Amino acid sequence: QVQLVQSGGGVVQPGGSLRLSCVVSGFTFSNYAMHWVRQAPGKGLEWVAVKSHDGSSEYYSDSVRGRFASSRNNSKNTLFLQMSSLRPEDTAVYYCAKEVGVAGAVGGLDYWGHGTLVTVSS
Amino acid sequence: EIVLTQSPGTLSLSPGERATLSCRASQHLSSRYLAWYQQKPGQAPRLLIYDSSIRATGIPDRFSGSGSETDLTLTISRLEPEDSAVYYCQQYYSSAWTFGQGTKVEIK
Repeated sequence: QVQLVQSGGGVVQPGGSLRLSCVVSGFTFSNYAMHWVRQAPGKGLEWVAVKSHDGSSEYYSDSVRGRFASSRNNSKNTLFLQMSSLRPEDTAVYYCAKEVGVAGAVGGLDYWGHGTLVTVSS
Repeated sequence: EIVLTQSPGTLSLSPGERATLSCRASQHLSSRYLAWYQQKPGQAPRLLIYDSSIRATGIPDRFSGSGSETDLTLTISRLEPEDSAVYYCQQYYSSAWTFGQGTKVEIK
């Protein structure tokens, strides 16, 4: 079955960096764009970033562009989110998620990781 | 950035009643590029509807999606106790996806 296993969360000081990982199984990772979505405590969902299936393109929300970078290793079925210049408002549960459609034929996010908490605090 | 505004903020209904959730986009987008999610406390979101009206795998047919370019609707035809959750719409018409702020559905 499809699994997305996340790791890498934790507590970091403002201005610091952190890298999240998302290891997937149960589907052909290289065929699907992958996304990051976050949720601040008690708040709604916020889309963060997408990495295309082949790694050739990526897009970011205005709130993280220039500070976060998404990458992927298709040979290791792993998605990454490198976060730098972290701010207290980046505190959230971060989810990785898989697009429904193959190779950019978009259609929502049908499988999600369990989420990992990132806390930015001094 | 396309802003999605959901209404109402909270919906309180009894089992068996019909729930109608609205999602309004700040600009025209193809009605195809919209999804709906259900999220229960402590859980990851669950995809209900994509491409505006296609039910995701395993989703009961009491959930349905409809609408036009700027006004989209999620309908739960006969509420069940397990439908108590927050529901989000999401657009993928632009490269920068966005979510609505959510509608909380409470079952009396």
